[in-house]
Amino acid sequence: DIQLTQSPSFLSASVGDRVTITCRASQGISSYLAWYQQKPGKAPKLLIYAASTLQSGVPSRFSGSGSGTEFTLTISSLQPEDFATYYCQQLNSYPFTFGPGTKVDIK
Amino acid sequence: EVQLVESGGGLVQPGGSLRLSCAASGFTFSSYWMSWVRQAPGKGLEWVANIKQDGSEKYYVDSVKGRFTISRDNAKNSLYLQMNSLRAEDTAVYYCARVGGEAQFYYYYYYMDVWGKGTTVTVSS
Repeated sequence: DIQLTQSPSFLSASVGDRVTITCRASQGISSYLAWYQQKPGKAPKLLIYAASTLQSGVPSRFSGSGSGTEFTLTISSLQPEDFATYYCQQLNSYPFTFGPGTKVDIK
Repeated sequence: EVQLVESGGGLVQPGGSLRLSCAASGFTFSSYWMSWVRQAPGKGLEWVANIKQDGSEKYYVDSVKGRFTISRDNAKNSLYLQMNSLRAEDTAVYYCARVGGEAQFYYYYYYMDVWGKGTTVTVSS
C-alpha cells in the first residue's frame, strides 16, 4: 500500500499569511493526488486534483504542485474561512489512502 | 442540485450488522464510480470501498475485506454498504462520495468531488 505523510501536522498562521503544506508518498504516484479541506463537523471539500488542477469554484489563492513523491498545497493569502484541516489523497492505486491531515489554526 | 444523502447509521453491538444507504440526486448516478469513506472520532479520513458504474468491480481497504460489501442499485440511484461482524474500531462517520474523473493528455485522473453529510455508526456494547 502507498503511505502518505503530511507536514506539518499542525500550523498556526495569521490572516494574509502564505501557507504551504507538504504531502509525501512512499512511492511514486505521478500526479494522481488530490487535496481536500475539512471543517469541524462537515464533509470534506475537494480543492485540487491531478496534483495541480483547481476544482471549479475553489478560490485561486489555493494552488497545488508536485509529482512523483512530493506535493505541496499553497494558500497564497490565508483568509478567515481557510482555517480547517487539509488532507491529501493518492488515487494512483488501491487502497486510495489519505494523508493524516494538517490542521491550520489561527495564530 | 447535486446531492448525496446517507442514512442507516446507529448504535450496534460488536459482532452485529448494519446496512448504510446513500441516495443520489441531481446527476446521472449510473455514470460514476462511487466510494465510501469513514472518519473515526477525532481521527483522519479513511477510504473504505469503491464500486464501478455497473457494479462489476469493487475494491476494499484490507481492514474491512470479508466483512463489508459495497453495492449499488442504479435504478434507485442508491449506493449501499453492508457491514457485518462489526468491531469497535469500525465506529466512525461514514461518508459516501462521487468519484469524478478527467482526462488530461494521456492520463485519466480521479477525485472525490461530491460528498454526503455522513451517517454515524457506533459499535459498542
